[in-house]
Amino acid sequence: DAGVIQSPRHEVTEMGQEVTLRCKPISGHNSLFWYRQTMMRGLELLIYFNNNVPIDDSGMPEDRFSAKMPNASFSTLKIQPSEPRDSAVYFCASSLQQGGSPLHFGNGTRLTVT
Amino acid sequence: AQSVSQHNHHVILSEAASLELGCNYSYGGTVNLFWYVQYPGQHLQLLLKYFSGDPLVKGIKGFEAEFIKSKFSFNLRKPSVQWSDTAEYFCAVRGYSTLTFGKGTMLLVSP
Repeated sequence: DAGVIQSPRHEVTEMGQEVTLRCKPISGHNSLFWYRQTMMRGLELLIYFNNNVPIDDSGMPEDRFSAKMPNASFSTLKIQPSEPRDSAVYFCASSLQQGGSPLHFGNGTRLTVT
Repeated sequence: AQSVSQHNHHVILSEAASLELGCNYSYGGTVNLFWYVQYPGQHLQLLLKYFSGDPLVKGIKGFEAEFIKSKFSFNLRKPSVQWSDTAEYFCAVRGYSTLTFGKGTMLLVSP
């Protein structure tokens, strides 16, 4: 299995631009998670989906952030407009829905907003 | 709500020293516990997990962790660390749905 695939690996953009991060979960996994990692805040859960349905988006910082999962094999995280404080590494992870199942992480997208 | 507390932000050891990283959690239901490792510039990888059964769990690369329910703890141990163990280590708890991470412990092993 190829694991969780994220793209792009690196994204550099100017403040005010729209940014779209992409994720392909492991086939057969029915839960998908978006995390953000920064030095100051560590790993923060932004949103997670079960069976393509958003369950908890309370971690999404503000309305500039949105996430979709149109099917079981694809999810996007969009930031519009982007700001310098959004600079971070964004990880996507997938798992089976059961609580004992570990999350498998993608390689992350390092976002830099100038 | 579930939460995780890791005792140390930074740990520095010499090669061959023994390692113990502390982790305490808070969760009211059946708990599933994990340790993840993040090598510099890489993504998180699963070291080990506790789901049920034997409270002493063994993971990859010689790591082990012990679940002590009465202390709400899940400490990570390794008898003899190597330079290649330099990384950040995250303890995490999962209830029914989401995985909550601790702040992480940065381990630096000097050769």
